[in-house]
Amino acid sequence: KAGVTQTPRYLIKTRGQQVTLSCSPISGHRSVSWYQQTPGQGLQFLFEYFSETQRNKGNFPGRFSGRQFSNSRSEMNVSTLELGDSALYLCASSLGDGPNTEAFFGQGTRLTVV
Amino acid sequence: AQKVTQAQTEISVVEKEDVTLDCVYETRDTTYYLFWYKQPPSGELVFLIRRNSFDEQNEISGRYSWNFQKSTSSFNFTITASQVVDSAVYFCALSELGNYGQNFVFGPGTRLSVLP
Repeated sequence: KAGVTQTPRYLIKTRGQQVTLSCSPISGHRSVSWYQQTPGQGLQFLFEYFSETQRNKGNFPGRFSGRQFSNSRSEMNVSTLELGDSALYLCASSLGDGPNTEAFFGQGTRLTVV
Repeated sequence: AQKVTQAQTEISVVEKEDVTLDCVYETRDTTYYLFWYKQPPSGELVFLIRRNSFDEQNEISGRYSWNFQKSTSSFNFTITASQVVDSAVYFCALSELGNYGQNFVFGPGTRLSVLP
């Protein structure tokens, strides 16, 4: 069974640009969550999508957005990049049955903003 | 408000030693779920164990065991006979029933180094 796939693995962008990250969940999983990991703030929840609808949202500015497609693949977009957006972005997929569901994580996309 | 604290920033042990990672959580929900994840250098978080708030029975799974105590809001994780491959960052996470979906609050992590 294929795991969670995130592309690209590494990205370098310039301040002010926008970026789109992609996540392909495990087959059959309908929930995709996104997390930002930085040395200073640790792992922080961005948002969760379930069946193409945003079900939960963390405390991030509107520059961070996402969507989910009918095949459960998800993308997240960050507009007007800031230096502080440099981070490892992790995607997690699960069956979406509830908060007790085991989540499987991808290897992440490491975004560097210069 | 939800919060997870892992007081140990870094731990170093010698191979074959037992090591316990501490986790203290805060939540107002009566139903919640606690998890331990491991993050090796490759970056992905690997699921280790899960415990429901209404089940305080402590268990052992191979070299892993955990001690869940609601009275002290602690969910400690023990690795018995540690191995070099156990070197990683370990995260404790909380998920509340009230969130409906999948939304972890993670602790800051404990970096475990197992020396040969």
